[in-house]
Amino acid sequence: DTEVTQTPKHLVMGMTNKKSLKCEQHMGHRAMYWYKQKAKKPPELMFVYSYEKLSINESVPSRFSPECPNSSLLNLHLHALQPEDSALYLCASSQDARLDSNQPQHFGDGTRLSIL
Amino acid sequence: GENVEQHPSTLSVQEGDSAVIKCTYSDSASNYFPWYKQELGKRPQLIIDIRSNVGEKKDQRIAVTLNKTAKHFSLHITETQPEDSAVYFCAASIRGGANNLFFGTGTRLTVIP
Repeated sequence: DTEVTQTPKHLVMGMTNKKSLKCEQHMGHRAMYWYKQKAKKPPELMFVYSYEKLSINESVPSRFSPECPNSSLLNLHLHALQPEDSALYLCASSQDARLDSNQPQHFGDGTRLSIL
Repeated sequence: GENVEQHPSTLSVQEGDSAVIKCTYSDSASNYFPWYKQELGKRPQLIIDIRSNVGEKKDQRIAVTLNKTAKHFSLHITETQPEDSAVYFCAASIRGGANNLFFGTGTRLTVIP
C-alpha cells in the first residue's frame, strides 16, 4: 500500500517562531510535492521536487523554504508566518517525474498548522 | 495556465442511487485526469484516474468518462453508499516533468441512508 508520512500532525506556532514540517516516503518515488489546503478549498500547489531538485515554485513567499535532503525526505521550513498561513499542509509523491510521464500523486495525512 | 471547473458544488443522493460529478478543463494539452476523495480531516485519496488515450475507465462502482473534444470529464458512482459521502476533487495535468495538478473546486457528496 502506498504511504506518505507527515509529521507533526498538528502544529501551533507564533509568528516569530521557526519550525519545520517533515514528509517521508519509501516507495521509491522521485517526485515530491508540497500543497497548501484551506478549509473547503482544493489543494494549492506550492513546490515540486523532481529527482531531489526544486522544479516548480508557485510564487510562494520566502517565509516558506523547502528542502529535499534525499529522495525519501521532504521538509518545509517555516519562519515568520502570518495568520493567513494557517491551513492544512499536504505532502504528496509520485513515482516518476520524467517528461511525458503522468503518474498518480499520493498524499500524506497533512500537518494542520495554526499561526497565532 | 489550466483552469478546471467542477459542478455541482454540493450533491445529495439517496442511498442506492447514482451520483455524477462533471468537470471541464481549458487546456487541450492536458492529458491526465485523476479524481480524489477527501473525507473530513483526512488526506485526498486517489480513487480513479484516466489518461487522454482512453474514453472511459471503470473500477467496480466508480467510472470516469473523458470527452477530449469537448474538454470535459465526469465521475460516475453507482449504487451509492453512506461511506461514499465526502468531498470529491477532479484534477487535470499537462504533460511534462513532475505532473502539476490543477484541481477543481470540489463537490461535497452526501449519501442519505
